[in-house]
Amino acid sequence: SQQGEEDPQALSIQEGENATMNCSYKTSINNLQWYRQNSGRGLVHLILIRSNEREKHSGRLRVTLDTSKKSSSLLITASRAADTASYFCAFTSGTYKYIFGTGTRLKVLA
Amino acid sequence: SQTIHQWPATLVQPVGSPLSLECTVEGTSNPNLYWYRQAAGRGLQLLFYSVGIGQISSEVPQNLSASRPQDRQFILSSKKLLLSDSGFYLCAWSVGRVEKLFFGSGTQLSVL
Repeated sequence: SQQGEEDPQALSIQEGENATMNCSYKTSINNLQWYRQNSGRGLVHLILIRSNEREKHSGRLRVTLDTSKKSSSLLITASRAADTASYFCAFTSGTYKYIFGTGTRLKVLA
Repeated sequence: SQTIHQWPATLVQPVGSPLSLECTVEGTSNPNLYWYRQAAGRGLQLLFYSVGIGQISSEVPQNLSASRPQDRQFILSSKKLLLSDSGFYLCAWSVGRVEKLFFGSGTQLSVL
């Protein structure tokens, strides 16, 4: 399957802690993106990292990409209760297709 | 600014009935358009995408079809719904090649 795999499937942390989620894929990619989905809503784009980049930051988000291992990680620092959501990686591979990972459900406890 | 409209928000349909979900984009020209389906608590499955009027690429052979009658309109259809068609359907758009996707608010379809 082309679908990306994410782990953990679910993550529960205390407010103020950091949350790390990982994404693995099997094909060569153009870029890799991370999205957030609140329950029952559409997805919102968080950050994009291109295949020739290794690390990218946006506010409390840090994304790394290791193309040799075909993996990426998303780190959310100093998490807040409002960060509770599902997080998905998505990648494109030479076409207009965006393939999504299986998602990580993050719960931040106040 | 660009916006995407997707309706209805929820839909309950009997098995064997037809389906039509509509998605429109405003504020941009020649967008790439996408239909995804999401089973409860799961990832997104790409169903169809379109890079221009009348150009539809199907990713999953099934009883669903898509059409793009206008530049910024994307329609998902079925002649006869199956129980397995239940799910959360999401429309999305992008511009250019492999840049970020913008999603609609989704349609929760229950086939009973």
